[in-house]
Amino acid sequence: EAQVTQNPRYLITVTGKKLTVTCSQNMNHEYMSWYRQDPGLGLRQIYYSMNVEVTDKGDVPEGYKVSRKEKRNFPLILESPSPNQTSLYFCASSPNGQGRIGYEQYFGPGTRLTVT
Amino acid sequence: GDSVTQMEGPVTLSEEAFLTINCTYTATGYPSLFWYVQYPGEGLQLLLKATKADDKGSNKGFEATYRKETTSFHLEKGSVQVSDSAVYFCALSDRSGGSQGNLIFGKGTKLSVKP
Repeated sequence: EAQVTQNPRYLITVTGKKLTVTCSQNMNHEYMSWYRQDPGLGLRQIYYSMNVEVTDKGDVPEGYKVSRKEKRNFPLILESPSPNQTSLYFCASSPNGQGRIGYEQYFGPGTRLTVT
Repeated sequence: GDSVTQMEGPVTLSEEAFLTINCTYTATGYPSLFWYVQYPGEGLQLLLKATKADDKGSNKGFEATYRKETTSFHLEKGSVQVSDSAVYFCALSDRSGGSQGNLIFGKGTKLSVKP
């Protein structure tokens, strides 16, 4: 089944404890992206990747890191999480590489992160 | 920069009522337009899309027409069901303006349909 998977689905952690949220897609998509969803703010893009070894900042990259060593994986890293990073996180992928538009993005089920 | 504005919710309707969720956009180029739906506890999934002016996207009884003259992409359904209760997001993808085809979302509209 074609899908985007994220792990973990739920995570409660403490301020400053490094964590990684994994994202994997099995559709051979070039483009991958991370979003956070907060009440009243909708979805905001954190980072995106047009292809392997190519990553770029989105609208809210502060406090996050990403890497794209393989086409299928795009982990989101919080080196020193803070309470304002408490949010619902979504990974997405798309055949949309090299700036082509009009392609659907496929979303993972989400990771609910709480930082205390 | 590019942006999407959609009507704020929540929207509460009775079953079989007519639904309209307004969406307008600002873009420097010729964007593609999308409606995504998020059911409770799930990720977003594409509902419909239109890639050029006057195109009509449709799916599951929902429709939206790409209106370049009014920069709008309003979502409509003639008769909603309880199962349509969800959050609906309007979005655009535009190669111009430095966005490189990234999706730009509206803030979402929560729809609740009562039996």
